[in-house]
Amino acid sequence: EPEVTQTPSHQVTQMGQEVILRCVPISNHLYFYWYRQILGQKVEFLVSFYNNEISEKSEIFDDQFSVERPDGSNFTLKIRSTKLEDSAMYFCASNRGANTEAFFGQGTRLTVV
Amino acid sequence: AQSVTQPDIHITVSEGASLELRCNYSYGATPYLFWYVQSPGQGLQLLLKYFSGDTLVQGIKGFEAEFKRSQSSFNLRKPSVHWSDAAEYFCAVGPDAGNMLTFGGGTRLMVKP
Repeated sequence: EPEVTQTPSHQVTQMGQEVILRCVPISNHLYFYWYRQILGQKVEFLVSFYNNEISEKSEIFDDQFSVERPDGSNFTLKIRSTKLEDSAMYFCASNRGANTEAFFGQGTRLTVV
Repeated sequence: AQSVTQPDIHITVSEGASLELRCNYSYGATPYLFWYVQSPGQGLQLLLKYFSGDTLVQGIKGFEAEFKRSQSSFNLRKPSVHWSDAAEYFCAVGPDAGNMLTFGGGTRLMVKP
């Protein structure tokens, strides 16, 4: 069964460093998303991406964040200068169309020290 | 602003007993409603969704949910719980299937033998 894969599963980084979280969405999917879940808090929407551009973003997704689809298979989330409060589980998701099921990856746990 | 409330943070049921997990939402338009399940170390798996039509929706693993517009609720039910159902359950609402989903805080289900 096709699945969304995320790498790495766990990343530890020092405050101020740049991190790139990687996702491989399901191959025929066209819409891509990033969500995050800070420990003990709700899953929160960050950004949606379609047709090589951001279609929606939340107020969390400030200038420190960027997304990219560098090739036909990967979808990345970059945090330019990490802060302690960026520590969270980051989930990538994708779907074929706006009204079709979104499949989530297993997440990348980012720890900023 | 849209919001989702899951009033029960933890629920413990005996194996074989029935289950109901509560979800209340606030949304300005006709909502797309979802229930996701997350097992330890796993991503978010869609159990079921409501877009329109029949207000009683069937999902995977024997789960069902009923959309009640008058009560702004979308409670998840299962007639007989199995030990493998122990997990965290998230209710979510959004304008479509993957974009800008708002999640509830989750309900952790424990199953007693």
